[in-house]
Amino acid sequence: DTGVSQDPRHKITKRGQNVTFRCDPISEHNRLYWYRQTLGQGPEFLTYFQNEAQLEKSRLLSDRFSAERPKGSFSTLEIQRTEQGDSAMYLCASSADLNNEQFFGPGTRLTVL
Amino acid sequence: AQKVTQAQTEISVVEKEDVTLDCVYETRDTTYYLFWYKQPPSGELVFLIRRNSFDEQNEISGRYSWNFQKSTSSFNFTITASQVVDSAVYFCALSESWADRGSTLGRLYFGRGTQLTVWP
Repeated sequence: DTGVSQDPRHKITKRGQNVTFRCDPISEHNRLYWYRQTLGQGPEFLTYFQNEAQLEKSRLLSDRFSAERPKGSFSTLEIQRTEQGDSAMYLCASSADLNNEQFFGPGTRLTVL
Repeated sequence: AQKVTQAQTEISVVEKEDVTLDCVYETRDTTYYLFWYKQPPSGELVFLIRRNSFDEQNEISGRYSWNFQKSTSSFNFTITASQVVDSAVYFCALSESWADRGSTLGRLYFGRGTQLTVWP
């Protein structure tokens, strides 16, 4: 399978714990995006990378969130001191170039108890 | 500000009926891109179409067709002869261009989605 993959698919954690998600984009894609989707809503942009450079961060991304893309390949999204409001589906997408279609992974569903 | 409105929250049809999903957008950019994605019950977003703002030709792909009208800022999606497998949430999305904003923006602005249920 050469699509976008995400790990884990599901994560249940207790409030206050740290969690980390991984995204592996399509190999030739240099742009990688993170979105968050809550029930009944469309995905909301969090941040994105061009190669290893993080070029934009949404104001939705509080200081508790950090993302990295070392070497311009896979990316990680870490949430520190999780809160119940962080419960959502976290989606990763990649694209070959600006304004090309973005291909999405299956998402990581986070539940904070 | 960029905004995508999908006024239809839920639509139910019976198999073989035609159905149109509405999408209205707002942007100050003169160059932009519009997209439709499908999210089946499995949850993974599936790309359906991309259209740039300079191309107002309607497009047909099998049972799917898209009507882009710049004058009314709409990009509607029609499924002809719907099937049960078409049941999903459909999202319309907008992205801005590099040229107009002068910054590297490729983020997608999504609508809230339309839940389509096709009954056998």
